[in-house]
Parts: sequence; C-alpha cells; structure tokens
Amino acid sequence: IAGITQAPTSQILAAGRRMTLRCTQDMRHNAMYWYRQDLGLGLRLIHYSNTAGTTGKGEVPDGYSVSRANTDDFPLTLASAVPSQTSVYFCASSRTGGGTDTQYFGPGTRLTVL
Amino acid sequence: GQNIDQPTEMTATEGAIVQINCTYQTSGFNGLFWYQQHAGEAPTFLSYNVLDGLEEKGRFSSFLSRSKGYSYLLLKELQMKDSASYLCAVRDSNYQLIWGAGTKLIIKP
Repeated sequence: IAGITQAPTSQILAAGRRMTLRCTQDMRHNAMYWYRQDLGLGLRLIHYSNTAGTTGKGEVPDGYSVSRANTDDFPLTLASAVPSQTSVYFCASSRTGGGTDTQYFGPGTRLTVL
Repeated sequence: GQNIDQPTEMTATEGAIVQINCTYQTSGFNGLFWYQQHAGEAPTFLSYNVLDGLEEKGRFSSFLSRSKGYSYLLLKELQMKDSASYLCAVRDSNYQLIWGAGTKLIIKP
C-alpha cells in the first residue's frame, strides 16, 4: 500500500541522548518535510527537501538535522535531545515542492524527552 | 510576521451545517489548504483554493477571498465522524505551508 511510514510510533528519551526518527515514502515524491505539532500551535516546519541530495531549513531547525540520500528516505536526527523537543513529529511528502501539490502525512512519532 | 487565525473550538449538532473561518496574513500567497485531523492521527487533505470563490466537494465546500485574506470551510449534513480538528494552511511566497493552530469541531447528537 503506497504511503508514508514513520518509526518509531512513540519513544521516551533521556535528555542528552541522540535520536533518529525514520521516514520512508513509496510514492516517488520529490519533496519531503518534517513538522512538529505542539498543543495550541500550528504545525511548524523543521526541515524540508525538494529533491534527493538537497535539504533546507524551516521555521524551527535548531537542534535538528536531516539528510536525503535517496528519494524514499528522509531521517530526522536530534543530536542531543532536550525536553523542549517533546512533541509529535510528522513527516510529509509531495510530488514537487510547489504549485498545487498536496502534502501527504505519515502517522507521526510521539516523542517525550525527560 | 506571518499569521493564520482560526477559532480554537466550535460545537455543532449532528445533521446541521457549520462554517469554520480562517484569516491569514502571509508573505505572498500561493494557495490555501484545508486539512482534517482526527485525534491521534495524521492530517489528511480536504481542499485547495487558489482563486477566489467556492470549491465544492460533496458535503464539504471551501471559499476563498484573497483581497480579504479570508477563507472558510463549510461542512453540511454533519455526521459524528466529522468530529476532528480542521487545519487551515497557506502556501507563502517561498512555497512553504504556514499552518493555523486548528479548529477543534465537536459534534453533538
């Protein structure tokens, strides 16, 4: 079934630990995105990639890094987690990075940093 | 700064009609999206407007006025399964989506 998968579904992490959230899509979409969603706030863009091999910073990139080695995968790494990074993280993809393209979302990863 | 405003919460009755408003101030405009998000789930696409006017899709319609920086989502014949959050998002001049905080819609029997 075509779509986006994320792993893990949820995670409790000690502050200071390194963590990689995985995202894989099989729709051959060029653009991929990482958002965080916090109560009372809209989705906020962390990083994006318009095509394999390129990445860009979103609204809240500090403390996060990404890579895009191929079309399908777009992992998000927290180098040294802090409690303020407790959030629900959504990966999304779209056919291209603009125009009328719709973004499709993965099921999310709920991360708690203690 | 960029800003998307929508009501935090609305309540409506099963079978009725509800209108969810969204106002925006963004650097550029390249379209407005509405998404539905059930609790604990991912957002799913509902509608897209780039020109002024009404787009109808079954029980859901979305309206856009670019000169007023305003959109609404109209839900007709409400069903209990429509209980969800509705997210308004605007694609700005950099083609990034700017998201509102969402409107939680509660449907009562």
